[in-house]
Amino acid sequence: EPEVTQTPSHQVTQMGQEVILRCVPISNHLYFYWYRQILGQKVEFLVSFYNNEISEKSEIFDDRFSVERPDGSNFTLKIRSTKLEDSAMYFCASSHRTGRSHEQYFGPGTRLTVT
Amino acid sequence: AQKITQTQPGMFVQEKEAVTLDCTYDTSDQSYGLFWYKQPSSGEMIFLIYQGSYDEQNATEGRYSLNFQKARKSANLVISASQLGDSAMYFCAMRPQYGGATNKLIFGTGTLLAVQP
Repeated sequence: EPEVTQTPSHQVTQMGQEVILRCVPISNHLYFYWYRQILGQKVEFLVSFYNNEISEKSEIFDDRFSVERPDGSNFTLKIRSTKLEDSAMYFCASSHRTGRSHEQYFGPGTRLTVT
Repeated sequence: AQKITQTQPGMFVQEKEAVTLDCTYDTSDQSYGLFWYKQPSSGEMIFLIYQGSYDEQNATEGRYSLNFQKARKSANLVISASQLGDSAMYFCAMRPQYGGATNKLIFGTGTLLAVQP
């Protein structure tokens, strides 16, 4: 069964550094998302991406964050000038299309620790 | 404001019994979707079941069913014949403005279910 994959599974970085989290969505999916989950808290939407552009972003997704689909398979989240409060699990998700159902399939997550 | 509320931070259930996890939502949209996801201790998010706001019948997927009461704005998850492997965090989520520009999911705070042998 196709699945969303994410690398790395755990990333440790120092405050102020840049990190890139990588995702490979399901191959025939067209919509891509990033969410984050601070330890013990609920999952929060960061950004959605369709047709090579951001379709929506949350207030969490400030100008330190960016997303890119550099080729036909990868979808990346870049965080510049990382802060301690960026420490969280980051989930990539993809869906085939919008509208009825079309549930979002989540990857296993990347745990980001900023020290 | 659009919001999902899960009032049960934790639940216990005996193996083989049924359990209901509560979820209420707040939206002014006429068209929306409701989802339940399971998050085991390993951390991944697993889609369980979906209910559309215009669906007349409650959704069912195997041992999972969704008790959808639109007037009360509730979308409770019912797990029948609980198994030890059902022990996990369960999140209710809503996708507002179905068919509109946004696809984001709004999540509740989750309910931690522990199935006891």
